[in-house]
Amino acid sequence: GQQLNQSPQSMFIQEGEDVSMNCTSSSIFNTWLWYKQDPGEGPVLLIALYKAGELTSNGRLTAQFGITRKDSFLNISASIPSDVGIYFCAGQSTDSWGKLQFGAGTQVVVTP
Amino acid sequence: NAGVMQNPRHLVRRRGQEARLRCSPMKGHSHVYWYRQLPEEGLKFMVYLQKENIIDESGMPKERFSAEFPKEGPSILRIQQVVRGDSAAYFCASSFAGNQPQHFGDGTRLSIL
Repeated sequence: GQQLNQSPQSMFIQEGEDVSMNCTSSSIFNTWLWYKQDPGEGPVLLIALYKAGELTSNGRLTAQFGITRKDSFLNISASIPSDVGIYFCAGQSTDSWGKLQFGAGTQVVVTP
Repeated sequence: NAGVMQNPRHLVRRRGQEARLRCSPMKGHSHVYWYRQLPEEGLKFMVYLQKENIIDESGMPKERFSAEFPKEGPSILRIQQVVRGDSAAYFCASSFAGNQPQHFGDGTRLSIL
């Protein structure tokens, strides 16, 4: 079956630093999504990507859909304390509409 | 609040009892999805429903689990004869169409005694 690897597993950074995380898949996706989850809550959609090579920003967040359609990355610039949380990538393929496959998550800890 | 609503937020059951988890999608959304999350893991797809139809149930365990999304009312995930291994957070998501972004509720935390 498909495998989706997300790295790093965790990051400890100082406030103001940039953060970068990525996901790779063993097969092609036609949609990549990035979510953030805070403790006790559901994932909140950050960015959605639909085309290979697409680069999309949402405030301090930037995400790209890899050219091979098998990877995506998320960057957070100038981190602030409220960026703390777990970030998940999720992919969707055309042969299974509606079925999101999630990475294991990247835990981000921001210290002042 | 026009978001995805799940209830209850917390549910405690004894082994052998039934658990019913409810999900009301966002206004205007007719596609509903259920996922399960174990501690420190990503979400795992269970089932995809559209009003009165199951579109994809490839992630549902073969026994004890069922899901429905009736014409009227919320979607229900039903777990019969619960076992300790069913303890997890169950999340519901909804979307406007099958290829549109999914928006999640805050989940139901199921604990089995």
